[in-house]
Amino acid sequence: DAGITQSPRHKVTETGTPVTLRCHQTENHRYMYWYRQDPGHGLRLIHYSYGVKDTDKGEVSDGYSVSRSKTEDFLLTLESATSSQTSVYFCATGTGQMNTEAFFGQGTRLTVV
Amino acid sequence: DQQVKQNSPSLSVQEGRISILNCDYTNSMFDYFLWYKKYPAEGPTFLISISSIKDKNEDGRFTVFLNKSAKHLSLHIVPSQPGDSAVYFCAARPRTGANNLFFGTGTRLTVIP
Repeated sequence: DAGITQSPRHKVTETGTPVTLRCHQTENHRYMYWYRQDPGHGLRLIHYSYGVKDTDKGEVSDGYSVSRSKTEDFLLTLESATSSQTSVYFCATGTGQMNTEAFFGQGTRLTVV
Repeated sequence: DQQVKQNSPSLSVQEGRISILNCDYTNSMFDYFLWYKKYPAEGPTFLISISSIKDKNEDGRFTVFLNKSAKHLSLHIVPSQPGDSAVYFCAARPRTGANNLFFGTGTRLTVIP
């Protein structure tokens, strides 16, 4: 299994405050992803990265930004958290090679009150 | 718009019987399909995959079938075991463009002892 660590695992924050979630990998995978999981929606891609400093938007990117300054770290920032961003966030990594899977971290449960 | 659909939110099966989980997709550019299994408070873990050049892939108790003309795939688990109780996500990757996975909404499988 790929070594993927998400921190924090749980967080409660107030509306309007900035929040940063961290994903750290030890597998040297080129691709890293941030997904959110919500009831009735499955997992939806927020942002992804295909290399250091190379990032792009996913299907639900509004209100989120990301940064990747090192291969092993991918940060997700909520500049001003809203209640609609209460969710479980998963980081994933992959090699980017054809017909390969993505590996997921254990998730961060974020509650915005 | 959900490009990968799992229309059954839940499924209950007796231990030892077959579990069949279904998934439909709309994007004809998808050419790699995966199933993930998710236990509560854990990240999704890869289970089995299939390329669009095949119509069946088998791994132990798990078999995935792909019907490209119907844009439908299914996961068969036989015999089902109580430890198989989890949420199962279908996912698909397009052959071109970004190296992203599109997920269904998940099916909760309960295997009754």
